[in-house]
Amino acid sequence: QVHLVQSGAEVKKPGASVKVSCRASGFTFMDVYIHWVRQAPGQGLEWMGRIIPSSGATSYAQKLQGRLTMAMDTSTSTHYMELSSLRSEDTAVYYCATDGGDHNFDYWGQGTLVTVSS
Amino acid sequence: QSALTQPASVSGSPGQSITISCTGTSSDVGGYDFVSWYQQHPGKAPKLLIYDVSERPSGVSTRFSGSKSGSTASLTISGLQAEDEADYYCCSYAGSDSWVFGGGTKLTAL
Repeated sequence: QVHLVQSGAEVKKPGASVKVSCRASGFTFMDVYIHWVRQAPGQGLEWMGRIIPSSGATSYAQKLQGRLTMAMDTSTSTHYMELSSLRSEDTAVYYCATDGGDHNFDYWGQGTLVTVSS
Repeated sequence: QSALTQPASVSGSPGQSITISCTGTSSDVGGYDFVSWYQQHPGKAPKLLIYDVSERPSGVSTRFSGSKSGSTASLTISGLQAEDEADYYCCSYAGSDSWVFGGGTKLTAL
């Protein structure tokens, strides 16, 4: 079955960058789009962006343009999300999720807590 | 892109039905039939409940149903159970390869 396994928690200083990984299994890696969604403590879900593995094409939320980079390693079936110039407001749990084919998110990783603190 | 509007909280007694609304604009909810709903228990990842406004993924209880009228989508939970107590989020495709979530609704089973 589908599994998305994410990397462990991170603590970063303001201004630094963080890279979170999401290892995929149970499906054909190149066929399934991946989204990244984050959730600040006690807050709601926020869509961050999407990558199309077959082409590498990405789409990012406007507010994160310029700071967000999504990439992948097909040899290890792993997706990556890198966020730069971190600020305290970026403290959140970051999730990767598969696109169900109809603009929804059908399988989710377990989440990765990123804490930005001086 | 502004978040979709959901009530902060709803409550109901076991066995009752409750409805959670999700209001957007003609650029998202009103413009596409790509509304989905997610259930999230504390400390857990969200779970897909409804997609394409009213479709249920395999394995999701028939007690969950979705609908849409204009720019407002709704999630109805019938026969409320204690295990339904969770946070619920709507999400809509918003065009130009972008998506927007609602602010979330906390469901309390009285």
